[in-house]
Amino acid sequence: QIQLVQSGPELKKPGETVKISCKASGYTFTDYSMHWVKQAPGKGLKWMGWINTETGEPTYADDFKGRFAFSLETSASTAYLQINNLKNEDTATYFCARGDGDWYFDVWGAGTTVTVSS
Amino acid sequence: DIQMTQSPASLSVSVGETVTITCRASENIYSNLAWYQQKQGKSPQLLVYAATNLADGVPSRFSGSGSGTQYSLKINSLQSEDFGSYYCQHFWGTPYTFGGGTKLEIK
Repeated sequence: QIQLVQSGPELKKPGETVKISCKASGYTFTDYSMHWVKQAPGKGLKWMGWINTETGEPTYADDFKGRFAFSLETSASTAYLQINNLKNEDTATYFCARGDGDWYFDVWGAGTTVTVSS
Repeated sequence: DIQMTQSPASLSVSVGETVTITCRASENIYSNLAWYQQKQGKSPQLLVYAATNLADGVPSRFSGSGSGTQYSLKINSLQSEDFGSYYCQHFWGTPYTFGGGTKLEIK
């Protein structure tokens, strides 16, 4: 079946780097865009940006320019989110979501919780 | 950037009641709007897309309406499994902003 499987929880210290994976299965990876969404504890959803799975070109929302990087390993149908120089405010659950055109996100990963604490 | 204002922020209702959640965009989004349901500790699930289209498998007690800058999600005859948080999201150009969310609780 169609699914996105994300990597497990991460506990990091401020200043460290984390790389989260999102492995797609059950569909042709390059037929759909991949988006990343942040949810801080007890807060709402925040769109971080997306990556074109055909070209690998990333687009970042303004709040996620600089320390954040989207990448792909197309041969493994996997998308990655890397966060550099982690800060306490990066503590959140990060979701990958499949984008169907410019209409909706129809498949979501279960989320990866990143905790940043000294 | 387009801002999405969702209301109410929370709602306490009983099983069997009907509820309406609204979302207002800061500019015309031409029905490029989706609604999601999120249960505690789970990922969001698509309910409605293009403002009025129910996603596959979504019960018919859910309906979406609206146009221009004003949109609504209506849930008829609330069931126990409908409690959770609801979010709207526009798709009229990036960033694809979400509304602030509505938490639906049992009265």
